[in-house]
Amino acid sequence: AQSVTQLGSHVSVSEGALVLLRCNYSSSVPPYLFWYVQYPNQGLQLLLKYTTGATLVKGINGFEAEFKKSETSFHLTKPSAHMSDAAEYFCAVRGDTDKLIFGTGTRLQVFP
Amino acid sequence: KAGVTQTPRYLIKTRGQQVTLSCSPISGHRSVSWYQQTPGQGLQFLFEYFSETQRNKGNFPGRFSGRQFSNSRSEMNVSTLELGDSALYLCASSLSAGQQPQHFGDGTRLSIL
Repeated sequence: AQSVTQLGSHVSVSEGALVLLRCNYSSSVPPYLFWYVQYPNQGLQLLLKYTTGATLVKGINGFEAEFKKSETSFHLTKPSAHMSDAAEYFCAVRGDTDKLIFGTGTRLQVFP
Repeated sequence: KAGVTQTPRYLIKTRGQQVTLSCSPISGHRSVSWYQQTPGQGLQFLFEYFSETQRNKGNFPGRFSGRQFSNSRSEMNVSTLELGDSALYLCASSLSAGQQPQHFGDGTRLSIL
């Protein structure tokens, strides 16, 4: 079985500061991992994904995530936050039946 | 290129009624999956359709059903609505079956009174 845990339901940063959103996963098979972003009143947008290969994955809008098998983590980072990054972020793992299993989400606030 | 289109955007129903939601995938995408999003349960997979066949199903009661048409458009139906069915229903499309959804619609917000 697969599961995802997102640590921190709310994260607040100042504009220009580092963004770090935490995600830990559990998977009985090699995981496929994803980060999605959801802006208010919108659907989800894929930020980045890890399937196989390079463990540092770069996504859109300057975000990146690193797959660390030893730590079962897939944390999302961005060196410098912008006001436009304020949104809810979801980590997800693809289950062994191809279903996406989502974490509970982290709401990112960016202060000027 | 048009994105995933969901209609209607908002819907208000009462307990016991039934509802049908529609999803038009991105042109050329043949897989459609549905998710329910609520504050309490988060995002939960409902089902996936590919080539007019249900390929995968989440852990929801039989009141939740869906179908896909030959043009890949999909509908989901919820019968005998309960208060707990109030949620944002999201549809996503992919080129093929089993791929992670890259494109989601903006959802249908269903409120049950």
